[in-house]
Amino acid sequence: DGGITQSPKYLFRKEGQNVTLSCEQNLNHDAMYWYRQDPGQGLRLIYYSQIVNDFQKGDIAEGYSVSREKKESFPLTVTSAQKNPTAFYLCASSLQGLSNQPQHFGDGTRLSIL
Amino acid sequence: KQEVTQIPAALSVPEGENLVLNCSFTDSAIYNLQWFRQDPGKGLTSLLLIQSSQREQTSGRLNASLDKSSGRSTLYIAASQPGDSATYLCAVEAAGNKLTFGGGTRVLVKP
Repeated sequence: DGGITQSPKYLFRKEGQNVTLSCEQNLNHDAMYWYRQDPGQGLRLIYYSQIVNDFQKGDIAEGYSVSREKKESFPLTVTSAQKNPTAFYLCASSLQGLSNQPQHFGDGTRLSIL
Repeated sequence: KQEVTQIPAALSVPEGENLVLNCSFTDSAIYNLQWFRQDPGKGLTSLLLIQSSQREQTSGRLNASLDKSSGRSTLYIAASQPGDSATYLCAVEAAGNKLTFGGGTRVLVKP
């Protein structure tokens, strides 16, 4: 079945450590997105990419980095510069970044601080 | 800057009652408005997408309306069932295919 796979489901970070969250899709979508969700709140956009080897900052990009070397993959690195990383992270994709195309979401990664 | 608000934050109804969820946004320059469902600890599932030129969309027991000029959308769920218990999020899409989300309404349908 086509879909978006995020791994791991749960992740723990030590102080000063960088961690990478994986997002893979087999929907042949060009556009991919990373969101952060805090308890009881909506989603906020971290980074997005509309094509391979290109990505743009979202509303809360500080302390995060991404890469888009392959169409299927859009990993997110939470760096030590992100002082409050505890949150639920969601990856999404859509067709060629066109408007009026719904975004499809993975099941998320929950990141906590040790 | 676009802001999206959902009121109430939580809602509890007995099974069989109709659900009415509200979403408001501050900037009417949108391409579309989307409604999503989120189960605990899971990602989002797209329910309905209303293009800016449309007034409503329907899918089964779900009906969503859009009044762009007043910055409002309403999601109606007819004859609610316990399986409808979830958090419902609305989001508006503006230029650059970026979605701005509301905080969600947490729904509990009691048997």
